[in-house]
Amino acid sequence: NAGVTQTPKFRILKIGQSMTLQCTQDMNHNYMYWYRQDPGMGLKLIYYSVGAGITDKGEVPNGYNVSRSTTEDFPLRLELAAPSQTSVYFCASSTGRPIDQPQHFGDGTRLSIL
Amino acid sequence: TQLLEQSPQFLSIQEGENLTVYCNSSSVFSSLQWYRQEPGEGPVLLVTVVTGGEVKKLKRLTFQFGDARKDSSLHITAAQPGDTGLYLCAGAAETSGSRLTFGEGTQLTVNP
Repeated sequence: NAGVTQTPKFRILKIGQSMTLQCTQDMNHNYMYWYRQDPGMGLKLIYYSVGAGITDKGEVPNGYNVSRSTTEDFPLRLELAAPSQTSVYFCASSTGRPIDQPQHFGDGTRLSIL
Repeated sequence: TQLLEQSPQFLSIQEGENLTVYCNSSSVFSSLQWYRQEPGEGPVLLVTVVTGGEVKKLKRLTFQFGDARKDSSLHITAAQPGDTGLYLCAGAAETSGSRLTFGEGTQLTVNP
């Protein structure tokens, strides 16, 4: 029962470093999403994808990049880490649009930038 | 921009009490989902409501979608410590396409 798998679970970065958060799903879902969750807050959409080769910006895309070369994988790239990017990052997937289908979430990556 | 406001933000009650969590917006949503999130984990879907006035029950949890599809509520009867978690409402609209709008959540603590 793998579902949505995110790696790493925890990471500490220095300001200006770069890293890639990995997300893979084994449910053959076309839709995939990246969210960030700050303390006491809900989820903010960073980027999403409706299929391989297609990506689009969400509410808070600045400072991030994504790619979707396969159905299974949807990595999130931070190029120049900033303290404001300290957060918990969640990847999710679904079979279709949010109107019709629920989203399945990974367990998150907790990222601290110092 | 569509916004969902949840209230209360924090709720601490004793085991056996009843509670209601509210999710309100000035926008109309085609459907509304409720998720529960436990520490260190991602949100997990509880229910989806799609019809104005709809009421769905999940054991001790009752979910209602407002007639105008702008608001929703979650009522828990006889709360148990296992109900502790962050409850998130999330709305989907035709105009938002593939996006889901999340509320900021209600942190519920049920004390034994």
